[in-house]
Amino acid sequence: GIQVEQSPPDLILQEGANSTLRCNFSDSVNNLQWFHQNPWGQLINLFYIPSGTKQNGRLSATTVATERYSLLYISSSQTTDSGVYFCAVDVGDDKIIFGKGTRLHILP
Amino acid sequence: SAVISQKPSRDICQRGTSLTIQCQVDSQVTMMFWYRQQPGQSLTLIATANQGSEATYESGFVIDKFPISRPNLTFSTLTVSNMSPEDSSIYLCSVTAGGGTDTQYFGPGTRLTVL
Repeated sequence: GIQVEQSPPDLILQEGANSTLRCNFSDSVNNLQWFHQNPWGQLINLFYIPSGTKQNGRLSATTVATERYSLLYISSSQTTDSGVYFCAVDVGDDKIIFGKGTRLHILP
Repeated sequence: SAVISQKPSRDICQRGTSLTIQCQVDSQVTMMFWYRQQPGQSLTLIATANQGSEATYESGFVIDKFPISRPNLTFSTLTVSNMSPEDSSIYLCSVTAGGGTDTQYFGPGTRLTVL
């Protein structure tokens, strides 16, 4: 089946820093989503981005479907950005497969 | 978007017992999904629940262990049967937004600890 790999697995940054998270996938996909799981376990959908670039405040995402990767950019990090960031790809019938996530810890 | 609630939010159960988790959505949806997230791990799809038909289970998950009901377009339950400590996980339900987008929305999860 399709493989979804995320890097880096862990990231520790000082508040105010910028970061780039990467998601590689092994086959063509219908769409790709980025999620943030906060320390309380709630999953929040950040972007639905099968291709192209989207921006939402300090966050932006770019997916290059032809090269099978997506990037999530976080600028001017805040402590509330801490948590785990997952990318997930649609493998058909609305079923999505998750990567293993990037655990981000922002230090005050 | 969709607003999803789950009950209970957390529970501590004894080995050998069963727990039923409820998932309620604020709008009618065709498909609902159940996921398991083991401690420190990513999310794994357990099954897809369609109203009016049997749930479709992913490899490694069976109906006897995780029976699912889907009585209408806004509600589903997942039962974790004959629990063991290995079943300690967060269980999440999700739905697809529809309306031309496949964005998925997740409930807050049920944190289960089996002693």
